[in-house]
Amino acid sequence: NAGVTQTPKFQVLKTGQSMTLQCAQDMNHEYMSWYRQDPGMGLRLIHYSVGAGITDQGEVPNGYNVSRSTTEDFPLRLLSAAPSQTSVYFCASRGAGANYGYTFGSGTRLTVV
Amino acid sequence: QQQVKQSPQSLIVQKGGISIINCAYENTAFDYFPWYQQFPGKGPALLIAIRPDVSEKKEGRFTISFNKSAKQFSLHIMDSQPGDSATYFCAASSGSNYQLIWGAGTKLIIKP
Repeated sequence: NAGVTQTPKFQVLKTGQSMTLQCAQDMNHEYMSWYRQDPGMGLRLIHYSVGAGITDQGEVPNGYNVSRSTTEDFPLRLLSAAPSQTSVYFCASRGAGANYGYTFGSGTRLTVV
Repeated sequence: QQQVKQSPQSLIVQKGGISIINCAYENTAFDYFPWYQQFPGKGPALLIAIRPDVSEKKEGRFTISFNKSAKQFSLHIMDSQPGDSATYFCAASSGSNYQLIWGAGTKLIIKP
């Protein structure tokens, strides 16, 4: 099925560990983004990309890195996990054009202990 | 000026009633206003969207009302059903900017 695939669905990390959250889309969308969702705080943009090789910071980029080597993939790296990064992470993509909505993945629930 | 303020934070409605969620914005450059629906354990999904050249858009039981002069837009869910219980987010964007500015979300519970 076409869409946005996120892996893993659940992850527990120890403080200081690093890991990569994977995101892949098969809709040839130009725009991809990473959000974190915390209770009562809605969706906060971490990083985004408007095409392969182009990335930029969002609202809450500290502690995270991204790269976009292909149109399909947009991994999010946690450099040194902290308890404050415990959250649900969503990847989303959007095609070009004014009337396209975002397609979200099903999320990764990350716990840092 | 970039904020989108959403209210209420939570809402309980009886089955068959009308659910109303409101959003307000400041940036007059916004020209695309979507609503997303999120069920527990899932990512948000686009529900309905409107552009400021119309005052209302209806899709089934879901209607967006848009008031350009007041810089407000709202989601109305008619004949609310228990299956509508979810968190709803409003958002806004401008021009060719891909980024959405999100409201904080409304948790809607429909009581049977």
